Amino acid sequence: EAQVTQNPRYLITVTGKKLTVTCSQNMNHEYMSWYRQDPGLGLRQIYYSMNVEVTDKGDVPEGYKVSRKEKRNFPLILESPSPNQTSLYFCASTPQGGYNSPLHFGNGTRLTVT
Amino acid sequence: AQKVTQAQTEISVVEKEDVTLDCVYETRDTTYYLFWYKQPPSGELVFLIRRNSFDEQNEISGRYSWNFQKSTSSFNFTITASQVVDSAVYFCALLEYGNKLVFGAGTILRVKS
Repeated sequence: EAQVTQNPRYLITVTGKKLTVTCSQNMNHEYMSWYRQDPGLGLRQIYYSMNVEVTDKGDVPEGYKVSRKEKRNFPLILESPSPNQTSLYFCASTPQGGYNSPLHFGNGTRLTVT
Repeated sequence: AQKVTQAQTEISVVEKEDVTLDCVYETRDTTYYLFWYKQPPSGELVFLIRRNSFDEQNEISGRYSWNFQKSTSSFNFTITASQVVDSAVYFCALLEYGNKLVFGAGTILRVKS
């Protein structure tokens, strides 16, 4: 089944403890992206990647890192999480950047930082 | 800059009522796509429709219909004869080149039985 898989679905952590949210897609998509969802703000793009080893900042990149060492994986790294990063996170992919097709979203990761 | 406005934060209706969710967008691109996504209580994002900027035909899919008007930069979504299962957060989004989706803040729809 074609899908975008995020792990974990739920995560509670403490301030400053490094964490990684994994994202993997099995559709051989070139483009991948991370969004965060906050009440009243909709979804905002954190980082995106047009292809392997190519990443760029979205609208809210502060406090996050990403890597794209292979096409299928696009992990989101929080080196020193803070409470304002408590949010619902979505990973997404599509065959390539542009207008070609809708983004395929993962099921989301709900992160709480205390 | 691209922007999507969903002015209705929350709407409550009684089952079988019709309801329209408003979406107004801003863009300088001449080529763009507009989307609607549904987010049920389970949290996943469900793709509903994509419409490109050159196709202003309205679309109907079962109880769902969409009205795209370039003249007013609007892409409104109507649910006819609403059902409890329609309760969700609905997002309108604008696609910029490079596949950056710009989302509206979302409208919470509550359908009561």
